Amino acid sequence: EVQLVESGGDLVQPGGSLRLSCATSGFTFSNYEMNWVRQAPGKGLEWVSYISRSGNTKYYADSVKGRFTISRDNAKSSLYLQMNSLRAEDSAVYYCGRDLPDIDHWGQGTLVTVSS
Amino acid sequence: DIVLTQTPLSLSVTPGQPASISCKSSQSLLHSDGKTYLYWYLQKPGQSPQLLIYELSNRFSGVPDRFSGGGSGTDFTLKISRVEPEDVGVYYCMQTTQLPPITFGQGTRLEIK
Repeated sequence: EVQLVESGGDLVQPGGSLRLSCATSGFTFSNYEMNWVRQAPGKGLEWVSYISRSGNTKYYADSVKGRFTISRDNAKSSLYLQMNSLRAEDSAVYYCGRDLPDIDHWGQGTLVTVSS
Repeated sequence: DIVLTQTPLSLSVTPGQPASISCKSSQSLLHSDGKTYLYWYLQKPGQSPQLLIYELSNRFSGVPDRFSGGGSGTDFTLKISRVEPEDVGVYYCMQTTQLPPITFGQGTRLEIK
């Protein structure tokens, strides 16, 4: 069974940093592209970042470019999102999603709250 | 960036009746490889999104055949032939024809009358 489990969400002050993790199982992680997608409270889905199978290609939404860094560890079957210079508008549930062009499996999400 | 516009934003449907959701794209989603990378997701209350339809019209594994996707170019539709109570939630279209960025529609909330 494909499983994606996010962790690392927390309450953080504006300007602070946070590192999210997505632990995966049930599939060969290194064979899949991965994404982060977020959802602000009561709002719709917003794609955040993408990483290729090898980790050599990365894309970011304009709203996070220069502040967030996506990475992966294929040996640990894990995906990461380093978030710096956090803003109130980054408050959301962050989901990791498997694959492209379709995101066919999603984790349950981890909540990030940016507030003083 | 490609903008996806869903209508309606909400709909209330009697069980057993059909439902239809439109997703209009600001640009054609027909890729040079001949495929249309348009997807439909359902986010049930308190859950993460689940894939319903991939590449315009293909039902994902385990998705009931009452769900169907269609359209072409810039106009797309998700149809539910007979709505059931478990279909409640928010439906999103998503495109990956032109990326980055991946873009989503605003969502359509379906409730049961």
